[in-house]
Amino acid sequence: DTAVSQTPKYLVTQMGNDKSIKCEQNLGHDTMYWYKQDSKKFLKIMFSYNNKELIINETVPNRFSPKSPDKAHLNLHINSLELGDSAVYFCASSGTSGYNEQFFGPGTRLTVL
Amino acid sequence: KNEVEQSPQNLTAQEGEFITINCSYSVGISALHWLQQHPGGGIVSLFMLSSGKKKHGRLIATINIQEKHSSLHITASHPRDSAVYICAVRVRGSARQLTFGSGTQLTVLP
Repeated sequence: DTAVSQTPKYLVTQMGNDKSIKCEQNLGHDTMYWYKQDSKKFLKIMFSYNNKELIINETVPNRFSPKSPDKAHLNLHINSLELGDSAVYFCASSGTSGYNEQFFGPGTRLTVL
Repeated sequence: KNEVEQSPQNLTAQEGEFITINCSYSVGISALHWLQQHPGGGIVSLFMLSSGKKKHGRLIATINIQEKHSSLHITASHPRDSAVYICAVRVRGSARQLTFGSGTQLTVLP
């Protein structure tokens, strides 16, 4: 009955590889997000997405792309992984109202070797 | 300069102490969130507020919109309160994504 789930929890891979992180929410929310937490624990928005629009943080390299097969899922695809991509990635979701709180997934720790 | 500033960065308290963590922001906002991140890494939303004050158990959050400032208070602190507390704002007009402060690492000693 997990509200926001992510897989995998840990991902270790070589530089240059392509990888995906999956996110699913069972809260019936219509907006989902991806956040990156760097080594200093600082969180930063990467994407927000609902059925109508994708908002991309302009600092995110185009090697990163969100893919949403349906309203309950927002997967993160990363091409040509670089060392600097190592971080913890959090998925989150919220409801339609602008005043709804966000619910976070458990995070995926990505290590690029 | 970050749009959201938190203080202190680190805080160590004795069990039972009253704790205050501060958050100042420099932009117009539609809401402010307080989040808790435990050592295991998971993030939990504690409060979302746009005015006044909210209370949940031993936690109290206040916001002063005119002064662009919010505080998170913990009464009768306990070692299990040890975590990183993060202030985040939804900037007015920026859809629903959050802009985060750098977090406050709280350690409560028994």
